[in-house]
Amino acid sequence: EDKVVQSPLSLVVHEGDTVTLNCSYEVTNFRSLLWYKQEKKAPTFLFMLTSSGIEKKSGRLSSILDKKELFSILNITATQTGDSAIYLCAVEPDNNDMRFGAGTRLTVKP
Amino acid sequence: NAGVTQTPKFQVLKTGQSMTLQCAQDMNHEYMSWYRQDPGMGLRLIHYSVGAGITDQGEVPNGYNVSRSTTEDFPLRLLSAAPSQTSVYFCASSYSWTGGYGNTIYFGEGSWLTVV
Repeated sequence: EDKVVQSPLSLVVHEGDTVTLNCSYEVTNFRSLLWYKQEKKAPTFLFMLTSSGIEKKSGRLSSILDKKELFSILNITATQTGDSAIYLCAVEPDNNDMRFGAGTRLTVKP
Repeated sequence: NAGVTQTPKFQVLKTGQSMTLQCAQDMNHEYMSWYRQDPGMGLRLIHYSVGAGITDQGEVPNGYNVSRSTTEDFPLRLLSAAPSQTSVYFCASSYSWTGGYGNTIYFGEGSWLTVV
């Protein structure tokens, strides 16, 4: 059965720290892996990854995919209180049955 | 441009009642879907549609019905509400269901449903 596992489930850091969020997956006919940030309402898109080893970067956030070991990481450097959110990883197989992980709740303290 | 509009935002139901969560998008998207989000479970796909007249089941379809009579609308029906259906529901749409278009998935703002 397809599944997506994120770790840790919860993380508390202080401003300025660097964090790494993990996402491992098992899915038939992988198409892409996506990261979302969810604050109070709907998730907002961060990255889509389809190829191994190619880092996607947006400001202080970056992500990379390893299709051999079936995982992705999301890095956030110099964290700010505004980074506090739930970060969701989702895997999109070619049968459209997108699977989300349980999310990592990140709390950044001042 | 309204994007994806979900109604109602909050609803309390009694066990056994039925109701419909409405979802509409004005972006002419082919692909629409419904998710539920529960603590510690992430988002789970309930039903999805790849175009008008076509629907299919996702990961957790039991207790829910959908229809797609128009491109714009994708209502989710709870036939006989149960406390286990207490959750936050998100409708989503995207331009196409092919080729990894995850970066164009648009979510509605969510519907908080409590079944007592």
